[in-house]
Amino acid sequence: ELKVEQNPLFLSMQEGKNYTIYCNYSTTSDRLYWYRQDPGKSLESLFVLLSNGAVKQEGRLMASLDTKARLSTLHITAAVHDLSATYFCAVDISGNQFYFGTGTSLTVIP
Amino acid sequence: NAGVTQTPKFRVLKTGQSMTLLCAQDMNHEYMYWYRQDPGMGLRLIHYSVGEGTTAKGEVPDGYNVSRLKKQNFLLGLESAAPSQTSVYFCASSWSARGPNYEQYFGPGTRLTVT
Repeated sequence: ELKVEQNPLFLSMQEGKNYTIYCNYSTTSDRLYWYRQDPGKSLESLFVLLSNGAVKQEGRLMASLDTKARLSTLHITAAVHDLSATYFCAVDISGNQFYFGTGTSLTVIP
Repeated sequence: NAGVTQTPKFRVLKTGQSMTLLCAQDMNHEYMYWYRQDPGMGLRLIHYSVGEGTTAKGEVPDGYNVSRLKKQNFLLGLESAAPSQTSVYFCASSWSARGPNYEQYFGPGTRLTVT
């Protein structure tokens, strides 16, 4: 059974600080996705990582993928309140089946 | 361009009742998906479709049926609702599953409560 684990599950951080969210998965995959979900809202695609070593950046968020370690990271630089949300990673193992992590609930405190 | 829409947004059912959730997309996407999201958990794939007239089971298909009679619509049916099916249901669509610019577009969700 494929497992996608995120940690931490809950993260409270001060504005201006840096932090990293980790996503580990249990089977081979060369594709990983990061999504953002605001409370009561739908999911918004943040990053699509398509190969080993892929790195993508958008604003204060940077995502990377290490397929050999089965690990992706979402790094937050100089956090601001607007980044408060739940972040999900998802692994695609067959092109049709997506397995999501449990999510990391991020709260940025002024 | 409405993107992905879902009907209804909220619904309360009694145990044993049936209902159909409708997902519609206007982006001419081939692939469509139904997920459920439960508290403290990520999304879990219920069923998906790779094209008009085709459907397949996902991770948690039991208790649900789907149909894709038209390319732009993907229906999720509950024949006999159970309290365990209380959840938020999300539909998504995409051009393909393995293309270089792959991205899933999600609908706003349907909050279903079964009493």
